[in-house]
Amino acid sequence: EVQLVESGGGLVKPGGSLRLSCAASGFSFSSYSINWVRQAPGKGLEWVSSISRSSTYIYYADSVKGRFTISRDNAKNSLYLQMNSLRPEDTAVYYCAREKGIPVAGAVLVYWGQGALVTVSS
Amino acid sequence: DIQMTQSPSSVSASVGDRVTITCRASQGISSWLAWYQQKPGKAPRLLIYAASSLQSGVPSRFSGSGSGTDFTLTISSLQPEDFATYYCQQGESFPLTFGGGTKVEIK
Repeated sequence: EVQLVESGGGLVKPGGSLRLSCAASGFSFSSYSINWVRQAPGKGLEWVSSISRSSTYIYYADSVKGRFTISRDNAKNSLYLQMNSLRPEDTAVYYCAREKGIPVAGAVLVYWGQGALVTVSS
Repeated sequence: DIQMTQSPSSVSASVGDRVTITCRASQGISSWLAWYQQKPGKAPRLLIYAASSLQSGVPSRFSGSGSGTDFTLTISSLQPEDFATYYCQQGESFPLTFGGGTKVEIK
């Protein structure tokens, strides 16, 4: 069974830092691109970042570029999101999500974690 | 960036109704479109990919159509478990972008 489990969320002050982790199991982690998607309270889904299988290709939303860093450790089946210079508008549930991984599908997200809540507030 | 516009933002419907949600891309995305269902407090669930391909395990009352800039998600006969919010997402290029969502509510 495919599982993605986020951890590391919590309350942080504006300007602070937080590191989210996503532990994967049930599939060959190194074979798939993984993404972070967030959802502010009561709002829609916002894509945050993507990392390819071997970290060759990395993409960010403009809203987090220069502040967030995505990385992965294929030996540990883990994905990370280092979040620096946090702002109140970064408050959201952060999901890690695995791509379907077939060419005909494009970048679609088939497996999602349960989410980690990040709250940025003084 | 490719903008995704969904309509309506909400729809009230009864069990058994046929429900149609539309999604428009700001530029052509071929068939690189997905639909997701999200219930309160839960992660999104992939329903449709490649505009019209049904994800494994998703009931056949869900269907998708369209290509280029205009897409449709249809629920042929609404069931109680289908009351949720639905999002489209383009997978043609980064940054990935989602529509604003359509909330399907009980009439």
